[in-house]
Amino acid sequence: GESVGLHLPTLSVQEGDNSIINCAYSNSASDYFIWYKQESGKGPQFIIDIRSNMDKRQGQRVTVLLNKTVKHLSLQIAATQPGDSAVYFCAENSGYSTLTFGKGTMLLVSP
Amino acid sequence: DTAVSQTPKYLVTQMGNDKSIKCEQNLGHDTMYWYKQDSKKFLKIMFSYNNKELIINETVPNRFSPKSPDKAHLNLHINSLELGDSAVYFCASSRTGPGNTIYFGEGSWLTVV
Repeated sequence: GESVGLHLPTLSVQEGDNSIINCAYSNSASDYFIWYKQESGKGPQFIIDIRSNMDKRQGQRVTVLLNKTVKHLSLQIAATQPGDSAVYFCAENSGYSTLTFGKGTMLLVSP
Repeated sequence: DTAVSQTPKYLVTQMGNDKSIKCEQNLGHDTMYWYKQDSKKFLKIMFSYNNKELIINETVPNRFSPKSPDKAHLNLHINSLELGDSAVYFCASSRTGPGNTIYFGEGSWLTVV
């Protein structure tokens, strides 16, 4: 079936750098995408979302970019902090209210 | 002010046992879910309930039986536990309909020995 996947399993950055986490999706009918952050021992936490009628959305230190032509989603984190270290998941709305999750990328931020 | 709470957080049990995980949300949502996260961190939907009615059952063995006594609660009962059931189980909730954010609980770590 169709699925959402991530290119990089682990991303290591220095504190203060900008981080970019990428995600490819294959369901061209998806119209809603979410990024979640999962810290060790905790549940996924909503970061930012974007609908398919947009190509960019900004939050506090985070930006999500959507390229529907190549079915690509990215999460940009500005001035990455040690507290940003976590596993990041992209997810797509796959019908009714459910989400299909990608495989996750671990972000490691060193001071 | 916990939004989605589930208990127990950790559960170690022997093969063949029956166990339950409870979930409650105080967000006023009418859709609740159970997700399973495996050892590779892959998250997969198991069940979705809307106003106590089962909406989605994603090819989960019938040893898993969700129960929703009201729209604020969705419990997960597992019969005859197997080694492969070891995982983290996440309860979640949202408003009904696509495009609504799904909020997750902190997870229940199940280990079957």
